[in-house]
Formats: sequence, C-alpha cells, structure tokens
Amino acid sequence: KNEVEQSPQNLTAQEGEFITINCSYSVGISALHWLQQHPGGGIVSLFMLSSGKKKHGRLIATINIQEKHSSLHITASHPRDSAVYICAVLMVNRDDKIIFGKGTRLHILP
Amino acid sequence: DSGVTQTPKHLITATGQRVTLRCSPRSGDLSVYWYQQSLDQGLQFLIQYYNGEERAKGNILERFSAQQFPDLHSELNLSSLELGDSALYFCASSVARRVGGSPLHFGNGTRLTVT
Repeated sequence: KNEVEQSPQNLTAQEGEFITINCSYSVGISALHWLQQHPGGGIVSLFMLSSGKKKHGRLIATINIQEKHSSLHITASHPRDSAVYICAVLMVNRDDKIIFGKGTRLHILP
Repeated sequence: DSGVTQTPKHLITATGQRVTLRCSPRSGDLSVYWYQQSLDQGLQFLIQYYNGEERAKGNILERFSAQQFPDLHSELNLSSLELGDSALYFCASSVARRVGGSPLHFGNGTRLTVT
C-alpha cells in the first residue's frame, strides 16, 4: 500500500462544478503540499499546510491531522483548472523526506 | 513565473551516455531539490542541497550525482544512461533549509529521452 493515496485518479466534470480531490496518508507528517502540474509539465505549489484550512481564490485546501486526510476543493471550476493535482507529505521527524501521491488528473469540460 | 530556471528543456541521448542538467534557483533561495518524474513512478525525490552542501538524499542512483555551486546554481549529472532513466527531471528551490520550512518553487523541468 502506498503511503500517500489520492482519489480519484481521474476526474472529468463540467465547467462550474464544485470539485473535491482527496489525499490520505498513513505516516505521521509535519506538513502537506498540494501541487498543480499543467499539461505542459510545469509544477506550481498551490498550498503548504499543517493544520486547518487555507484559501486562495477559488481553491480551498483542508487538512485533518487526526484522520490523516486532506482535501483540495475547487469552486466554480473552469477549463483552465484542467491539470494534474499532486499531494505531497513531509514526514514528521524526517524533514528531509517528502512522499508524493500519484496525482489526480482533472479535466473540466466547457 | 516561479523564478527557477532549468536547462535544457529537452534532451535526447543514447544509452551509455552522460548528461548534465542545470538549475538556477529563485533569487534568494538557498535550497535546491532535484526530483524525477517517470510515467510509472510519479514524482520521486532525488537530492537536496542547501547553501552549497548536500543536505538530504532520496532515491538517487549511484550513477547520478549533483552539486551546488557558490552562486547557488545546481547541476545534476546522469551517467551510464539506461532506457529507464527517461523521465522529467524537476528542480525546485526554497528559502528554508527544511523542506517544510517554506514554499517550494518549481522549474519547468527537463525532459530526458534515452534511446
């Protein structure tokens, strides 16, 4: 079993829909990153969080440390949100080790 | 624009060869990380340098090596290349020494194809 699991693997939705991408992990962590990888390959760091909730524009990230779970939400989705979203965790007491999920491929239809 | 520059964008070479990938971190960032992304493995951490010193090692093969220079740019050297080394290689930089200490800024990657 992978230490970081994302679901769904693939998601297709209509423009305007509310999107949720989930990340579950089995190790103790000190922080979690959400990354966005564009179709061209470039990676952008969206959020780094260790507790609670963060919001940036139409994106919201939440984390529940006790349940070892994080979610990334996109409100009013748009075709330009189409990308691969990757969850990455930083292991507690091993601040040199980062483990990546395999990503969720999101496709928003116009 | 993340401020992280990777060159070259694409590299095609033959098995057994050696290549060098280059990364210039964002201005002010002292940490440089190298990652490999292959189709079946996803992103894998290779190595981190902080202010010229190697700080952490991940799943980096012995055929691979890296260094960070006094001007903070970094190079990843891949030798005795095999078909399985074909992947996207990303560099990221951050201010902090710890990978969780500050946001990561990624370059656009170098796509390596070994034929």
